Amino acid sequence: KQEVTQIPAALSVPEGENLVLNCSFTDSAIYNLQWFRQDPGKGLTSLLLIQSSQREQTSGRLNASLDKSSGRSTLYIAASQPGDSATYLCAVRPNSGGYQKVTFGTGTKLQVIP
Amino acid sequence: DVKVTQSSRYLVKRTGEKVFLECVQDMDHENMFWYRQDPGLGLRLIYFSYDVKMKEKGDIPEGYSVSREKKERFSLILESASTNQTSMYLCASSFTIYNEQFFGPGTRLTVL
Repeated sequence: KQEVTQIPAALSVPEGENLVLNCSFTDSAIYNLQWFRQDPGKGLTSLLLIQSSQREQTSGRLNASLDKSSGRSTLYIAASQPGDSATYLCAVRPNSGGYQKVTFGTGTKLQVIP
Repeated sequence: DVKVTQSSRYLVKRTGEKVFLECVQDMDHENMFWYRQDPGLGLRLIYFSYDVKMKEKGDIPEGYSVSREKKERFSLILESASTNQTSMYLCASSFTIYNEQFFGPGTRLTVL
């Protein structure tokens, strides 16, 4: 059974700092991995989707990398801003036996201090 | 932009009531999903639908049913609400099962 871990559960950084959020998964047989942000009491906003054949994806100040063999993905946020404060979740989709059975991590709560 | 809307942001119901949560997407997506999100447990899939009138159980379908009569609309039904169904309910859609999922704003349901 796939397990997805995000450590740390919470992170506090000063504004302007570059930071890395981690996502680890136990089964490397994945189809893709998606990063989301969630603001308090709200739904999830899709940030980046990486296919299993890709090594990284970029969108603005965000860069997500994927290392399937080691079961890791990282989300790099450059020049963090207070508006980046949110919970960040990763979600892993398997490549067989139930493509709909996406497994979510429990998230890293990020606070960017002005 | 894909838009997924949910009928209510907050809902308070009593034990035993029948509860309907509605989700609508405007991008002609084939697949729609219902999740619940609880602290410490993350998101868990309740049901998903890959076509009109087609559905499959997720990880925690007990106490829930779903309906998809039109492609754009996916309803979650709590037949007889119980206090342990107090949760945040999130609807999502995707064009195919391989594509990224887009989420609605969520419905915070409290069952008293």
